[in-house]
Amino acid sequence: NAGVTQTPKFRILKIGQSMTLQCTQDMNHNYMYWYRQDPGMGLKLIYYSVGAGITDKGEVPNGYNVSRSTTEDFPLRLELAAPSQTSVYFCASVRDRAIYEQYFGPGTRLTVT
Amino acid sequence: GNSVTQMEGPVTLSEEAFLTINCTYTATGYPSLFWYVQYPGEGLQLLLKATKADDKGSNKGFEATYRKETTSFHLEKGSVQVSDSAVYFCALSVEYGNKLVFGAGTILRVKS
Repeated sequence: NAGVTQTPKFRILKIGQSMTLQCTQDMNHNYMYWYRQDPGMGLKLIYYSVGAGITDKGEVPNGYNVSRSTTEDFPLRLELAAPSQTSVYFCASVRDRAIYEQYFGPGTRLTVT
Repeated sequence: GNSVTQMEGPVTLSEEAFLTINCTYTATGYPSLFWYVQYPGEGLQLLLKATKADDKGSNKGFEATYRKETTSFHLEKGSVQVSDSAVYFCALSVEYGNKLVFGAGTILRVKS
């Protein structure tokens, strides 16, 4: 199993540009998440999904969109990049119930200038 | 609401010293509690967990006990190594959607 994979690893965007961060897991996990990590801060939940076709907002969803057309993939879309979206983005997945650990991808470092 | 508060860092220790990182939480219902570790340049990895009151999670010499009466889940290790240098996150899991709520993280630096 590759686990949770994310692409790209690094990206620099100009203000107003758009991009999609890719996330794929091969563990047949139902739940998937997108977090952002700002320097010196914990992770903040952006969006999550409890299964294909079902998504919901987390703590900081503004400026982002997601879709979940398959169990494996959970892309995160930035439509109009802003400097405030400079961060490290982590995708995670978990089997289902709260007692199970979340598996994290290696992260995408995004800079918006 | 649900929240996690961790002791601020960075924590700097000499090798073989005793480690405690404090974590307290506020939650509705009965959360599961976790410690995740992040090594430089990597994603988070689960270190240990506890799913009900009085449970003790342990892994790689680290331990934490789920204390419902004090709403705490402090991380301890009897003798730290240089390789333990990392950022440690306390987190709780809310039942619906299994959403994790993280503390701000504590940087641990161990010097030889």
